[in-house]
Amino acid sequence: SQTIHQWPATLVQPVGSPLSLECTVEGTSNPNLYWYRQAAGRGLQLLFYSVGIGQISSEVPQNLSASRPQDRQFILSSKKLLLSDSGFYLCAWSVPRGGYTFGSGTRLTVV
Amino acid sequence: TQLLEQSPQFLSIQEGENLTVYCNSSSVFSSLQWYRQEPGEGPVLLVTVVTGGEVKKLKRLTFQFGDARKDSSLHITAAQPGDTGLYLCAGFNTGFQKLVFGTGTRLLVSP
Repeated sequence: SQTIHQWPATLVQPVGSPLSLECTVEGTSNPNLYWYRQAAGRGLQLLFYSVGIGQISSEVPQNLSASRPQDRQFILSSKKLLLSDSGFYLCAWSVPRGGYTFGSGTRLTVV
Repeated sequence: TQLLEQSPQFLSIQEGENLTVYCNSSSVFSSLQWYRQEPGEGPVLLVTVVTGGEVKKLKRLTFQFGDARKDSSLHITAAQPGDTGLYLCAGFNTGFQKLVFGTGTRLLVSP
């Protein structure tokens, strides 16, 4: 069966520090991968999506970046965090036209 | 930009009551999905509707896709405290390989 792992679950980082969130998928090949950010109790904002290794599409210009070094690995990064980067970050995978399976999320607090 | 507006944003009801959540857009979607999210977790897919006018039932939950495939509704009969959570609609257009999520409806069912 397919599973998705996202870590860490919580993270507190100072302003200006770097960020690296990792997401891996098991049990499927060539999935579409996504990074979303969610404000408290609200909908999801798509940040990046990838349809293959090295293929990254950015939805929102900001100081975040994403990479897909392997088929089932998706990484969200920042060189210097801002206070406004705080939020709940969710990784997800899907097959084309299918439902999305989400990870359990990372609560990031920038202080 | 495709937008999905949900109403109401927040709903607080007593156990046993019925409720309806609406999801509206000016755009046409090839399919529409509903997710439920628990605090601190990722959203979980409830249902996918594809055909205009389609109705799907999942126990006490009834989902309907509008005839023009621009809107959808979720009706819960005899709500229970276990139904508490954030409900998200999401529209999928085959022209894109990503879902557009709605603004969310937070439901609180009190015993």
